[in-house]
Amino acid sequence: KAGVTQTPRYLIKTRGQQVTLSCSPISGHRSVSWYQQTPGQGLQFLFEYFSETQRNKGNFPGRFSGRQFSNSRSEMNVSTLELGDSALYLCASSLLGQGGSGNTIYFGEGSWLTVV
Amino acid sequence: QKEVEQDPGPLSVPEGAIVSLNCTYSNSAFQYFMWYRQYSRKGPELLMYTYSSGNKEDGRFTAQVDKSSKYISLFIRDSQPSDSATYLCAMRYGGATNKLIFGTGTLLAVQP
Repeated sequence: KAGVTQTPRYLIKTRGQQVTLSCSPISGHRSVSWYQQTPGQGLQFLFEYFSETQRNKGNFPGRFSGRQFSNSRSEMNVSTLELGDSALYLCASSLLGQGGSGNTIYFGEGSWLTVV
Repeated sequence: QKEVEQDPGPLSVPEGAIVSLNCTYSNSAFQYFMWYRQYSRKGPELLMYTYSSGNKEDGRFTAQVDKSSKYISLFIRDSQPSDSATYLCAMRYGGATNKLIFGTGTLLAVQP
């Protein structure tokens, strides 16, 4: 069974540009979440989607946006990139939309974004 | 004050030692507790998932939750050099959300 797949794995962008990151969840999973990981702030929640609906959004500026498609694949977009957006962006998927003994959350390998 | 506090380490132990990793939290609304392991330049990998106070064991790993004290622990027995990684505690609220709140992570080095 394939895991959570994120593309691209590595990318370098210039300040002011925009970037789109893609996430394919585990087959059958309908919940997708995105996190930003930096050395200073650790793992921080960006947003969560379930069945194409955004259910939660973290404390990030409006430059960060996302969406989920009918096949559960998700994309996140960052516009007007800043140096501080350099980070590992992680996607996570799970089967159900809420906690429970069987609802494990699986992470992808992440997309490394460097803004220069 | 952060909702989840975790000692960032680094923690260095000899091979074969028992490792104890801990997190405290302030929000009693957390209902599910997880430990993830993250190797350098990799995504987090789930180690343990618990949702009640008490102990849960899986091989060399034991997770402990004390909801009354708002304290969770992960014990690693017979630690191996391959256990060298960052260990992250994570917590989830009840209800219709999969949002996780993470600790900062503890960097563990097991010396051969």
